[in-house]
Amino acid sequence: GAVVSQHPSRVICKSGTSVKIECRSLDFQATTMFWYRQFPKQSLMLMATSNEGSKATYEQGVEKDKFLINHASLTLSTLTVTSAHPEDSSFYICSARGGAGEQFFGPGTRLTVL
Amino acid sequence: QKEVEQNSGPLSVPEGAIASLNCTYSDRGSQSFFWYRQYSGKSPELIMSIYSNGDKEDGRFTAQLNKASQYVSLLIRDSQPSDSATYLCAVGGATNKLIFGTGTLLAVQP
Repeated sequence: GAVVSQHPSRVICKSGTSVKIECRSLDFQATTMFWYRQFPKQSLMLMATSNEGSKATYEQGVEKDKFLINHASLTLSTLTVTSAHPEDSSFYICSARGGAGEQFFGPGTRLTVL
Repeated sequence: QKEVEQNSGPLSVPEGAIASLNCTYSDRGSQSFFWYRQYSGKSPELIMSIYSNGDKEDGRFTAQLNKASQYVSLLIRDSQPSDSATYLCAVGGATNKLIFGTGTLLAVQP
């Protein structure tokens, strides 16, 4: 399958700071990428759909001003958690959409906000 | 509300047995169906895709799709302890998004 990378894999930050997470499709071009959040022992929760060259589409209940998404190229999407707070601590996972509708997931970023 | 339902488990099977994982979906317009495996603390990994009625085999895995019954399943033959994970069913339709089930936890007992 296609390879998707994420960076960083783990980040610890102080409350009030912003954190940027990068998602890259390494061996294919992805017009559409997705950002998910997963709390321990819970299901994947789709946060937003990221389309190259246009604004992201956010799911209901997700604050677009808090979770800034940029998809500037066909291989890179970024998620910035602005003014992070302890309740934002979670496992953030990106995926890239393949040509047959499948999604290839990155390894995830574990965010801990102190 | 388009839904994908799975039994949360845990489904416990002995090593070497066949594990059968099931999934139902509500949207009759669904066109693509996927099974992902997620180990604890890791991200999901695509293991099978199926788009038309019938069976699709890949190694020890067989995906089965019945659109009339809105049912998709995954069979794992010769189950190994390393197969112990959460298995997510995902369904795609007219949009770019996939709708994920909550997953079935599989435990293969040595």
